[in-house]
Amino acid sequence: GQNIDQPTEMTATEGAIVQINCTYQTSGFNGLFWYQQHAGEAPTFLSYNVLDGLEEKGRFSSFLSRSKGYSYLLLKELQMKDSASYLCAGIDSNYQLIWGAGTKLIIKP
Amino acid sequence: GAVVSQHPSRVICKSGTSVKIECRSLDFQATTMFWYRQFPKQSLMLMATSNEGSKATYEQGVEKDKFLINHASLTLSTLTVTSAHPEDSSFYICSARGSGDYPEAFFGQGTRLTVV
Repeated sequence: GQNIDQPTEMTATEGAIVQINCTYQTSGFNGLFWYQQHAGEAPTFLSYNVLDGLEEKGRFSSFLSRSKGYSYLLLKELQMKDSASYLCAGIDSNYQLIWGAGTKLIIKP
Repeated sequence: GAVVSQHPSRVICKSGTSVKIECRSLDFQATTMFWYRQFPKQSLMLMATSNEGSKATYEQGVEKDKFLINHASLTLSTLTVTSAHPEDSSFYICSARGSGDYPEAFFGQGTRLTVV
């Protein structure tokens, strides 16, 4: 079956760095998304990886290893506003999104 | 990024009535639109996928006669919750995807439906 695994909850300190991991098993693979979702709001796009390696966008970076079925989202210089859920979604061979349950990130001062 | 507009953002309706939610892609042609529902503190749950001009494909367990989806144009899809009940109260989110090699899905703002 198809499956996306990510931790349920993580806690980090303001100004620090946090890495949110995601492992995936999909029927075929056409890339992986990371989304940020604040409580009560729709998800917003953070990154898309389809090739191996690290993609950097400001404070956020996303990494993909297709051979390991693994991705991570790296958040640097954490700010209180980064407190949110982070959703990992794999894209299968039919271009269907397979969603993880999300990782709730709690930032403490 | 592309813009997807969803309306209304909040709606309260009486049990037994129907509610229509609109999802529009404002600056691109959405060949595929997705409808999700999300209960508090839970992940997105895909309800259905619709391609412009064809019938929606519903996920297992989603009643197609209760959740009517229309995708009549490349910029508009609607979800109608018919004969709503309190258990239908949820956060409904649409997303739209254009054609091409970049399969990014853009989300609407979501609709908070409360059935009383």
